Amino acid sequence: DSGVTQTPKHLITATGQRVTLRCSPRSGDLSVYWYQQSLDQGLQFLIQYYNGEERAKGNILERFSAQQFPDLHSELNLSSLELGDSALYFCASSRRQSNAPDTQYFGPGTRLTVL
Amino acid sequence: AQSVTQPDIHITVSEGASLELRCNYSYGATPYLFWYVQSPGQGLQLLLKYFSGDTLVQGIKGFEAEFKRSQSSFNLRKPSVHWSDAAEYFCAVIWGNQGGKLIFGQGTELSVKP
Repeated sequence: DSGVTQTPKHLITATGQRVTLRCSPRSGDLSVYWYQQSLDQGLQFLIQYYNGEERAKGNILERFSAQQFPDLHSELNLSSLELGDSALYFCASSRRQSNAPDTQYFGPGTRLTVL
Repeated sequence: AQSVTQPDIHITVSEGASLELRCNYSYGATPYLFWYVQSPGQGLQLLLKYFSGDTLVQGIKGFEAEFKRSQSSFNLRKPSVHWSDAAEYFCAVIWGNQGGKLIFGQGTELSVKP
């Protein structure tokens, strides 16, 4: 158990809908990262937040957005869902109190199925 | 362009045999290197990491990896594989000038024969 929690574990929804994935980082970690794992793209970095502020962006679609709240939990919002958004979404967290690279610890993931 | 390559998509070894999983990276900045393991239906568990210092690093579950800058490689090894090691293994890199973004290889699926 990494100490990173994600809810829900599974999510089944229809095309065009909107969903919210939630992540709670390890105690004391200030940075949260979101990754998408799909069969065709593999593991892809989406976005990073540090202490409430966006710090880095990867190949995140405009239909996707995220935020980190004052209690440091994070939410990833996916809207206008398409079949191709079906994937495993991971959250990771790290201490990251400086600009130096840090170890990221991953949650169990949320499996999203879009029908 | 930044890339991480794991040349072997699938490897099968016999239980008790040694294992080496290959990982190569390309880019000019300082690499910070990781190996993660993913069991079916599970999240990613950190096996080991290399930031600096001794180029041979020890990890959990009896795994080790060696950083070879001249070959741009960070291969994962285990002297004797157990059936419970069957999983997918990911090599990942953070480049020193790219913030916290982990770039993953495609993964190597390990099967263990009894």
